[in-house]
Amino acid sequence: ETGVTQSPTHLIKTRGQQVTLRCSSQSGHNTVSWYQQALGQGPQFIFQYYREEENGRGNFPPRFSGLQFPNYSSELNVNALELDDSALYLCASSFWQETQYFGPGTRLLVL
Amino acid sequence: DQQVKQNSPSLSVQEGRISILNCDYTNSMFDYFLWYKKYPAEGPTFLISISSIKDKNEDGRFTVFLNKSAKHLSLHIVPSQPGDSAVYFCAASARGAQKLVFGQGTRLTINP
Repeated sequence: ETGVTQSPTHLIKTRGQQVTLRCSSQSGHNTVSWYQQALGQGPQFIFQYYREEENGRGNFPPRFSGLQFPNYSSELNVNALELDDSALYLCASSFWQETQYFGPGTRLLVL
Repeated sequence: DQQVKQNSPSLSVQEGRISILNCDYTNSMFDYFLWYKKYPAEGPTFLISISSIKDKNEDGRFTVFLNKSAKHLSLHIVPSQPGDSAVYFCAASARGAQKLVFGQGTRLTINP
């Protein structure tokens, strides 16, 4: 059974650029949730995707957007990057609202 | 508004002894609670969970206790092992809600 995978592992961007992060969900899972973890903090919920539709959103601006594909993989897109977007971005997959299992994360640095 | 709080940023325990990690929450709508463990450069790993209809759940060396009246949960690890050294996050969710709400984490160090 393959776990949750994310790519890339690290990324450096400059302010104002756009970034796309990718996530492959665990086998048998149909729901993907994205979280942002700032240094020294717990993960903060960005949004969740189920059946290719956004199914709940946290307190993040519209420049954070996402997609889910028919194979349940997902993308997180962030436009107009700001310095405060520097963080670890975590993807978690689950079967609907059951336990969420996390990938290793993508560390984004915005300069 | 921090709805889930882990008030101890760090905890140091001797190998073989009991580790107790604490977590408090404020939202009475939370009805499902989880503990995750995180090593550096890895994502959080699910450890154990508990539903609000229970007050205790056990899985090997890990036991989670839930005190709904106090809005408090704790994770007991016994006996503690060096491999348990990690950051531990508690998380909570409400029925029908999509998100997990996490605490700030507690760094557990097991000393030989």
